[in-house]
Amino acid sequence: NAGVTQTPKFQVLKTGQSMTLQCAQDMNHNSMYWYRQDPGMGLRLIYYSASEGTTDKGEVPNGYNVSRLNKREFSLRLESAAPSQTSVYFCASSEGWAKGTDTQYFGPGTRLTVL
Amino acid sequence: GESVGLHLPTLSVQEGDNSIINCAYSNSASDYFIWYKQESGKGPQFIIDIRSNMDKRQGQRVTVLLNKTVKHLSLQIAATQPGDSAVYFCAEFNQAGTALIFGKGTTLSVSS
Repeated sequence: NAGVTQTPKFQVLKTGQSMTLQCAQDMNHNSMYWYRQDPGMGLRLIYYSASEGTTDKGEVPNGYNVSRLNKREFSLRLESAAPSQTSVYFCASSEGWAKGTDTQYFGPGTRLTVL
Repeated sequence: GESVGLHLPTLSVQEGDNSIINCAYSNSASDYFIWYKQESGKGPQFIIDIRSNMDKRQGQRVTVLLNKTVKHLSLQIAATQPGDSAVYFCAEFNQAGTALIFGKGTTLSVSS
């Protein structure tokens, strides 16, 4: 049981390049999330998927798109990377049954640098 | 508004001491709180949670206290060990109950 896995672990992009961050969970969770973490900050929600087939914007969605490929997988895409998107990206999942009391479990993160 | 903050950005203790990490929240309607531990280079790890109908909850070496009157919660770590060195975040749900809001974190350093 690997929990939440993310690929790649590290990535360096040039401004304007695109890439997709991959996330998968094997806990049969319904809900999945993408956060970013900047130095000295807590995590901020980019997008989430409450259940397969649905996605919603979080606090900082601009410059990102997401796809809930199936129940296990939730990807985050940067269409045209900007230096302001340099950050550590975390994927998380939760059972998704109890709104407001639903513990989220996190992956190890992807460290992205945009030059 | 919705915000979760921590009183101190850093806390340094000696091995074997008890540690107390504090957190203030602003959403009086929040009824569920979580403490996460984040080690360097890793994702946040669930430590303990507490619901608003409780004042105290204990885990293994950790205790969370909730004071709803002043909108404050704390994480107590007993007999702190070097392996407890990490950044600790408190988190609460947003008003819609769909996403966690994290505080900025307290860095706990344990010296032996």
